[in-house]
Amino acid sequence: ETGVTQTPRHLVMGMTNKKSLKCEQHLGHNAMYWYKQSAKKPLELMFVYNFKEQTENNSVPSRFSPECPNSSHLFLHLHTLQPEDSALYLCASSQEMGLAGRNEQFFGPGTRLTVL
Amino acid sequence: AQSVTQPDIHITVSEGASLELRCNYSYGATPYLFWYVQSPGQGLQLLLKYFSGDTLVQGIKGFEAEFKRSQSSFNLRKPSVHWSDAAEYFCAVSSNDYKLSFGAGTTVTVRA
Repeated sequence: ETGVTQTPRHLVMGMTNKKSLKCEQHLGHNAMYWYKQSAKKPLELMFVYNFKEQTENNSVPSRFSPECPNSSHLFLHLHTLQPEDSALYLCASSQEMGLAGRNEQFFGPGTRLTVL
Repeated sequence: AQSVTQPDIHITVSEGASLELRCNYSYGATPYLFWYVQSPGQGLQLLLKYFSGDTLVQGIKGFEAEFKRSQSSFNLRKPSVHWSDAAEYFCAVSSNDYKLSFGAGTTVTVRA
């Protein structure tokens, strides 16, 4: 595997379910990101991890819980979601944060989430 | 705070014709500018980036972009479009840290 991978690619869940999204990067990067992409809206940054430490929580509701066990893996745990949470969730990685000129982010294919 | 505007939601272009996608940014200092492309069912792929130096930047897939500070613009161009260029295109701006601010995107349709 190369680049950034995400599983599952599609997920349908009820509002009372608990599920997790997984992201893995094979680029040797140290920063990882979760974004939410809704139709016709700019990408919304949700969480940022740098060297496994969370450095950004962009006012995301607590029903979204991120986990970064190591620099290569990032999870997004989902619990009691709402229908408006239906979106494409994208994971990205970069070499590390805060280095101007090095913050090119590499994206995974995303998980298409539908909340019923 | 930085922001990006992509004025065109949807553009239709004939195969072989030229393409220009507009991007305007708002940022107080020298920005770092990016163009990404997203094909259906895929993540975002970086086309090109501007950090400093020559204001005309060459990217992959035959794309180029020109940074114009006076107009706060970073428009993307391609001289001759191929059917495979049908996708959604995102302009993004970054400051000196890690945060990327994206525009809402422009969908490009290529007709035969």
